[in-house]
Amino acid sequence: DSGVTQTPKHLITATGQRVTLRCSPRSGDLSVYWYQQSLDQGLQFLIQYYNGEERAKGNILERFSAQQFPDLHSELNLSSLELGDSALYFCASSDNRGSNEQFFGPGTRLTVL
Amino acid sequence: AQSVTQLGSHVSVSEGALVLLRCNYSSSVPPYLFWYVQYPNQGLQLLLKYTSAATLVKGINGFEAEFKKSETSFHLTKPSAHMSDAAEYFCAVSDGGYQKVTFGIGTKLQVIP
Repeated sequence: DSGVTQTPKHLITATGQRVTLRCSPRSGDLSVYWYQQSLDQGLQFLIQYYNGEERAKGNILERFSAQQFPDLHSELNLSSLELGDSALYFCASSDNRGSNEQFFGPGTRLTVL
Repeated sequence: AQSVTQLGSHVSVSEGALVLLRCNYSSSVPPYLFWYVQYPNQGLQLLLKYTSAATLVKGINGFEAEFKKSETSFHLTKPSAHMSDAAEYFCAVSDGGYQKVTFGIGTKLQVIP
């Protein structure tokens, strides 16, 4: 158990809809990272938050947004969903000390029908 | 900018044979290097990491990796493959601190009985 929790575990929705994925980092970790993993694209970095502020952006679509709250949990919002958004979404956290090792949650599997 | 190249998106070995998964990196500063493993339908978990303390790093489940600066490599090895080693393996590099971690495309290891 990494200490990172993600909810829900599975999500099935329709095209055009909007969903919210939630992540709670390990106790004490200030950074949260979001990744998308699909069969054709592999593991793609989406966005990083550090203590409530956006720190780095990766291949995140404009239809996607994220935020980190004062209690350090984070939410990833996906809107106007398309079939191609079906993927595993992972959250990771780190303490940004030393090697910046990331600890991954179990993921949310999103299926868009 | 840092980057990681994993040679071979799929590797097959016989049970009991040597496992060798290749990773080359580029980084403008002395890097931190990681190998993560992902079992089916699970998140990524850390196998081992290089933090400059020793060039030969031992990890969990009998895996080890050697940092070779002259070759900019960090290949993962295990002397004898087990069926339970079948998984996807990711090499990653970080400059540490607040910098994001860059992941390779992953290598799927198949172990043949």
